[in-house]
Amino acid sequence: AQSVTQPDIHITVSEGASLELRCNYSYGATPYLFWYVQSPGQGLQLLLKYFSGDTLVQGIKGFEAEFKRSQSSFNLRKPSVHWSDAAEYFCAVGPTENNDMRFGAGTRLTVKP
Amino acid sequence: EAGVAQSPRYKIIEKRQSVAFWCNPISGHATLYWYQQILGQGPKLLIQFQNNGVVDDSQLPKDRFSAERLKGVDSTLKIQPAKLEDSAVYLCASSRGGKNIQYFGAGTRLSVL
Repeated sequence: AQSVTQPDIHITVSEGASLELRCNYSYGATPYLFWYVQSPGQGLQLLLKYFSGDTLVQGIKGFEAEFKRSQSSFNLRKPSVHWSDAAEYFCAVGPTENNDMRFGAGTRLTVKP
Repeated sequence: EAGVAQSPRYKIIEKRQSVAFWCNPISGHATLYWYQQILGQGPKLLIQFQNNGVVDDSQLPKDRFSAERLKGVDSTLKIQPAKLEDSAVYLCASSRGGKNIQYFGAGTRLSVL
């Protein structure tokens, strides 16, 4: 069965520092992988996605992620974090047999001034 | 292009009462999803519609939850009677179907007292 693990529940970084959020997945074939961001009281916004091709994917807001099949990982990175990046980040994997996807439990990012 | 619309944004009810949520997907999106997001967890799929037919409702607690999408456009999700553990954010998402990206509404935050 498809599943996603985000090992870090909460991460705190200083503004301007680099960021890496971890995501590991379990999937029987080549997965589709997604990162979504959720600000307080808001819905989920897609940051980036991987379907196939180049394993380094660029997204919005300066984020990127790298698909590593050998490690079953799809970690999210940003070279310099801004205070506005404070939010909850969700990794998701699909498609399931119904073309749905499974979400991880999320990582909450706090940005220190 | 208008996004996914959900109402109400917030709802507070007492246990054993009933409640209904409404979702209007992005125009032209054939697939509609309802997710439940409990505090501190990732979204969990409740039900998926393709046009006005149900694709997957395996995780919908059918003794108290129901959903419909009669004309293949907007949808309602109902809980009757509500339990304390139903307190969560209910997210609606839509996509063009197949393996296309899901777009999320802002959600309805339900508090059951």
